[in-house]
Amino acid sequence: EVQLVESGGGLVQPGRSMKLSCAASGFTFSNYGMAWVRQAPTKGLEWVATISYDGSSTYYRDSVKGRFTISRDNAKSTLYLQMNSLRSEDTATYYCTREATVAFFDYWGQGVMVTVSS
Amino acid sequence: DIQMTQSPASLSASLGETVTIECRASEDIYNGLAWYQQKPGKSPQLLIYNANSLHTGVPSRFSGSGSGTQYSLKINSLQSEDVASYFCQQYYDYPWTFGGGTKLELK
Repeated sequence: EVQLVESGGGLVQPGRSMKLSCAASGFTFSNYGMAWVRQAPTKGLEWVATISYDGSSTYYRDSVKGRFTISRDNAKSTLYLQMNSLRSEDTATYYCTREATVAFFDYWGQGVMVTVSS
Repeated sequence: DIQMTQSPASLSASLGETVTIECRASEDIYNGLAWYQQKPGKSPQLLIYNANSLHTGVPSRFSGSGSGTQYSLKINSLQSEDVASYFCQQYYDYPWTFGGGTKLELK
């Protein structure tokens, strides 16, 4: 059974940093691209970043480029999202997702809440 | 960016009814479209990919169709467990973008 378990969320002040982790199990992690998708309270879904199966390629939405870094450790089957210079508009539930070969999201974690507020 | 416009934003239907949700892309996305279901308080779940392929374990009352810029999700014989929000997503070009969602309730 595919499982994705996020951790590391919470309350953070604007301008500060936070790192999210996602522990994967139930599949061969190193064979799949992975992504982070977020959802602001009572809002829709927004893709944040994608990393290729081997970590050699990364992609970001414009609003997080230069502030967020997606990375992975295939030996630990873990995905990360380093978030710097956080803004109030980054407040959201962040979902760890597995990207199928053709870039839709076939499995999702339970989500972790990030609140950026002073 | 490719804009995804979903309609309607909300929908009320009766048990056993057939429901259709539409998604329009701002340009041709060549069937690079997925549909997700999100039940209250839960994470989204994949229903349909490549516009019309059913994901593993999804009931056959769900179906997807469309091409070019116009796509739809149909739910036959609506069940109580189908109460949820539904989102479309294009994966033809970065950034991947989602529709605004359709909230489905029981009448």
